Amino acid sequence: QKEVEQDPGPLSVPEGAIVSLNCTYSNSAFQYFMWYRQYSRKGPELLMYTYSSGNKEDGRFTAQVDKSSKYISLFIRDSQPSDSATYLCATNAGGTSYGKLTFGQGTILTVHP
Amino acid sequence: NAGVMQNPRHLVRRRGQEARLRCSPMKGHSHVYWYRQLPEEGLKFMVYLQKENIIDESGMPKERFSAEFPKEGPSILRIQQVVRGDSAAYFCASSPPTATTNEKLFFGSGTQLSVL
Repeated sequence: QKEVEQDPGPLSVPEGAIVSLNCTYSNSAFQYFMWYRQYSRKGPELLMYTYSSGNKEDGRFTAQVDKSSKYISLFIRDSQPSDSATYLCATNAGGTSYGKLTFGQGTILTVHP
Repeated sequence: NAGVMQNPRHLVRRRGQEARLRCSPMKGHSHVYWYRQLPEEGLKFMVYLQKENIIDESGMPKERFSAEFPKEGPSILRIQQVVRGDSAAYFCASSPPTATTNEKLFFGSGTQLSVL
């Protein structure tokens, strides 16, 4: 069993739709949760970073963490064609190993005009 | 301030050859991480280095792979006697020594290694 499970999609939505991306994890030691966006032939860039259970909002993006069920989500409101990318969830145990991330497989998202 | 620089962007090797991938961290960054992204898989941690030290190599294959981050110059990921299964995108990330979370972790654009 993978430590972080993510549905690879692909996911195709019309412009303006609400997008929901999800991951589950198995290791209770994971304390920090992130969402990265990766455009084709580029490196991942950090979108959202959360520590505790609950919601965190940044513009059109909302990250949600439920530690009791080991479930993390990313919601994109009013999706735009420029949001088309691969979205990767990631987690780690924090501390001195903050850069040692465990990633999900990534979900390929296409937003069509 | 230039970002994390990786070169070459694309590297083609025949089976049995050596591959050298270079990563120049962002200015002021002294921590380097290497990740590998195989087709249909997410990124997998390989190794964490600080200047002249390997801190965590728990993700490195036991044979043929090595990494270094010398006092001067870029970090190098070296793959000896490459096989087709080594074909992947290799990403480097860097962070400053003062960082305590990965909010200061930045990735390069990667090197795509193709083994013929």
